[in-house]
Amino acid sequence: AQTVTQSQPEMSVQEAETVTLSCTYDTSESDYYLFWYKQPPSRQMILVIRQEAYKQQNATENRFSVNFQKAAKSFSLKISDSQLGDAAMYFCAYSPSGAGSYQLTFGKGTKLSVIP
Amino acid sequence: EAGVTQFPSHSVIEKGQTVTLRCDPISGHDNLYWYRRVMGKEIKFLLHFVKESKQDESGMPNNRFLAERTGGTYSTLKVQPAELEDSGVYFCASSHWTGFNNEQFFGPGTRLTVL
Repeated sequence: AQTVTQSQPEMSVQEAETVTLSCTYDTSESDYYLFWYKQPPSRQMILVIRQEAYKQQNATENRFSVNFQKAAKSFSLKISDSQLGDAAMYFCAYSPSGAGSYQLTFGKGTKLSVIP
Repeated sequence: EAGVTQFPSHSVIEKGQTVTLRCDPISGHDNLYWYRRVMGKEIKFLLHFVKESKQDESGMPNNRFLAERTGGTYSTLKVQPAELEDSGVYFCASSHWTGFNNEQFFGPGTRLTVL
C-alpha cells in the first residue's frame, strides 16, 4: 500500500522569506501523481500544485514550486516570498495513475505559521 | 460556480444514534469522494462514486457506514449506529476528470462528535 509521510508537524517562516515543506512517499508504481493541498484555518482545502511522476521537470505555480526526486521518493514544496495568507495546513497527497478510483493518500499535514 | 457543500457543518450525537451527512458536489462533476480525518491522523479515503455507481469502497471501515448517491447528484453518508471511534471530520470532494487532471475540489467538511 502507498504511504505518504510528512515529518514536520509544524513549521514557521518569516514573512517574505522562503520555506520548504518535506514529503516522502512509498510506492511500487512507476507512474503516479503527487499533489500539495492547502487548508487555511476554517476554510476548504484547495490544490496548490501537482506533479506527474514521469515528468522530470519540477512543477511551478507562481511562488510555489516543488523539488521532485523520484529515486528518493521525495516531493518537497517550496514557498518563496511567504505571505500572511500562506498560513495554513499543507497536505502532501499521492494518487495512482492507472485505471481505478484515483483516491488520494494523504500525509498527516504540516501546519505552517507565517510571522509578520 | 458554487463549490462543494456539506451539511451539517457540525454534528454531536450519542453513541448508538444515527447520523446522515450530505454532500453536494460541483455541478457536472461525475466523481465524488468521501474522506475522513480522525483526530491526529491522516485524512483517509472512504469511497468513490462515478455518477451513481460505487467505483471503489475499499476504505469504508465497516458495515455501519452506508453511502448513497441517488441520481448521480448529491451523496449521503449514513453512520448507523455511531460509535465513539467514528468521531472526526468527514470531507467530501468532487472532480470532473480523473488521472492527472484529477483535481479534487473539497468541501468544508462535517465535524462529527460521538459522545
